[in-house]
Amino acid sequence: AQSVTQLDSQVPVFEEAPVELRCNYSSSVSVYLFWYVQYPNQGLQLLLKYLSGSTLVKGINGFEAEFNKSQTSFHLRKPSVHISDTAEYFCAVSGGYGGSQGNLIFGKGTKLSVKP
Amino acid sequence: DAGITQSPRYKITETGRQVTLMCHQTWSHSYMFWYRQDLGHGLRLIYYSAAADITDKGEVPDGYVVSRSKTENFPLTLESATRSQTSVYFCASRTPSYEQYFGPGTRLTVT
Repeated sequence: AQSVTQLDSQVPVFEEAPVELRCNYSSSVSVYLFWYVQYPNQGLQLLLKYLSGSTLVKGINGFEAEFNKSQTSFHLRKPSVHISDTAEYFCAVSGGYGGSQGNLIFGKGTKLSVKP
Repeated sequence: DAGITQSPRYKITETGRQVTLMCHQTWSHSYMFWYRQDLGHGLRLIYYSAAADITDKGEVPDGYVVSRSKTENFPLTLESATRSQTSVYFCASRTPSYEQYFGPGTRLTVT
C-alpha cells in the first residue's frame, strides 16, 4: 500500500532562518505530490503541488519543494521563515495504488514552530 | 461565496445517537471526500464520491454512512455514535487537476 513518511514530527527554528521539512513516499508508479498547511483550528490549505514537468515547484508564502523521483522524496523548503509560518504541514500523495480515485494519502504532519 | 462549507463547526453528542455532518461545495466538482483527523494518525479517508449517487469506502468507513443526491452536497452520518468517533472531520472536493480543497472542519465530541 502507498504511504507517506514525514521524517520529523516537530521542527523548531528561529525567525529568518531557512527550513526544510522532509517527506518521502512509497510508490512504484507515477504520483502527484502536494504540501498542505494547517493553522490552528482551521482546515488545510494547499501550499504547492507537483503533477509533472519541472522538479522544482514554487508555492504560496515563499515555499518551494523539489521532487526527486530516484529518492522518492518531496521536501519542502523556505529560505527565511516568519513567525506567521508556525503551523502544521502535511505532505500528501495522490495516484498510484491506494490513491487511484484521486484521494490523498497523508503523512502524519510536521509541526513547524518559528521562534523569535 | 464560492468554496466549501461544513456545518456544524462544533458538535457534542451522546453515545448511541445519530448525527449528520453537512458539507456543501459551490464549484460543481465531481469528486468529494470525507476525512477524519486524529492525533497520531494524521488524516484518514472515510468515504469518497465520484459523482452524484456514486460513493465508495475509504480507509476507515465503519460506523459511517454517506449519500450524495446532489453534486454540491455530501453529508456524512454517524448512525450510532461511539466515543472512538470523537474527531475533527474534514470534507474536501477535488479539481480535475487533482487539487483538493478542504472545508473548515467539524469538531465532534461523543460523550
